[in-house]
Amino acid sequence: DVKVTQSSRYLVKRTGEKVFLECVQDMDHENMFWYRQDPGLGLRLIYFSYDVKMKEKGDIPEGYSVSREKKERFSLILESASTNQTSMYLCASSLYLSYEQYFGPGTRLTVT
Amino acid sequence: KQEVTQIPAALSVPEGENLVLNCSFTDSAIYNLQWFRQDPGKGLTSLLLIQSSQREQTSGRLNASLDKSSGRSTLYIAASQPGDSATYLCAVRPGGTASKLTFGTGTRLQVTL
Repeated sequence: DVKVTQSSRYLVKRTGEKVFLECVQDMDHENMFWYRQDPGLGLRLIYFSYDVKMKEKGDIPEGYSVSREKKERFSLILESASTNQTSMYLCASSLYLSYEQYFGPGTRLTVT
Repeated sequence: KQEVTQIPAALSVPEGENLVLNCSFTDSAIYNLQWFRQDPGKGLTSLLLIQSSQREQTSGRLNASLDKSSGRSTLYIAASQPGDSATYLCAVRPGGTASKLTFGTGTRLQVTL
C-alpha cells in the first residue's frame, strides 16, 4: 500500500514565523502535491512537483514556496506565516500525473 | 473554469439503505474522475478512479458511474453501514492538464443505527 506521511498532525505558529511542512511518500512516485482545505472552499492546489527539483504553481501559490531535493520528500514553506494561512494542509502523491492521487493524514496549521 | 458541485451537502440515512451521492461538473472535457472518502480531521482515502472512456467502476459495495456528456457522476453505496459515515468528495481531472484535480466541496454522510 502507498504510504504518505506528514511531519505533524497539528502545528501552532506565530505570525511572521517561517514554517516548514514535510511530506514523505514510500512508493517511488514521480509526482507530489500540496493542497490546502478550507470549509466552504474545498481543496485547492498550492504547488506540485513532477520530478526532483521541478515544481509548478497550482491555483493559490502566493505566500508559499516548495522544495523537492529527494524524490520521496516534498516540503511546503511558508516564508512569513499569516493568519489567513490557518488551514488544513494535505500532501498527496501519484505515480503519473493522470493516475490516482494518494493523500497523507494532513497537518492542521494554526497561525496566531 | 471547471466547477464541481456535490448536492446534497449533507445526508443522513438508516443503516442498510442503498444510497446515491451526486457529483456534477461544468466542463465535460475531463480526463478522469476520482472519488474520495474523508473522515473528520483526517486525510483523503481514494475510493475509485473512473476514466473518461469508462461508464462505471466497482469496488466492493461501491459503484461509481460517469456520464461525461451530461457532466455527472454518481457514487452508489449498497447496504450502508455506520462505518460508511464520512465526507465523500469527487474530483475531476481536466483533459489537457492531466495534473490538476478540481474538487467538489463534498457530501457529509451519516449512517445511523
